[in-house]
Amino acid sequence: DAKTTQPNSMESNEEEPVHLPCNHSTISGTDYIHWYRQLPSQGPEYVIHGLTSNVNNRMASLAIAEDRKSSTLILHRATLRDAAVYYCILRGNSGGYQKVTFGTGTKLQVIP
Amino acid sequence: KAGVTQTPRYLIKTRGQQVTLSCSPISGHRSVSWYQQTPGQGLQFLFEYFSETQRNKGNFPGRFSGRQFSNSRSEMNVSTLELGDSALYLCASSVRSTSGANVLTFGAGSRLTVL
Repeated sequence: DAKTTQPNSMESNEEEPVHLPCNHSTISGTDYIHWYRQLPSQGPEYVIHGLTSNVNNRMASLAIAEDRKSSTLILHRATLRDAAVYYCILRGNSGGYQKVTFGTGTKLQVIP
Repeated sequence: KAGVTQTPRYLIKTRGQQVTLSCSPISGHRSVSWYQQTPGQGLQFLFEYFSETQRNKGNFPGRFSGRQFSNSRSEMNVSTLELGDSALYLCASSVRSTSGANVLTFGAGSRLTVL
């Protein structure tokens, strides 16, 4: 199973940008990189995903390294509501069915 | 459109009992996957169903089982409950699971406490 590695925790000041890194050195050519976040007492929610090119949506941006062995989730202006555990996972596109492996995630603390 | 619905949200059981959890996916989603979340082990994949067939299974004992119905609703069952089965059980649905681009939508979870 493809695995990801993330820092256990990070801190950010409110209204400042946050860069959350993820290493996925065993990524295969057809794996998509997904980011989800989990707020306290809730199920994870989708943030963003990409394959090779950088991606932007209303929540965040995803920067993918050229060799695809790492990626960075960028929150442009952190708010208190962004305090959550952020998970980076890989989802295959091989035509088969894959287990989804979650790492330990990064707990983001936003300081007012 | 309605999200993923899991029932019950909370339940308490005693060791040796069994429990059944239910998951109703988003309309049109045919893939349902289940996860166990504990403070010590984090989020762990249990199994995935697509078109009423189990497509993949995580490393859990046979006491954990599931099924999917023709309307894509899914249930998971845990028999002979142990204290270590206390966890948040999460269900996620997606349109199909063979494309890595498909996004998972999670329910709020069912929190099981085993006494």
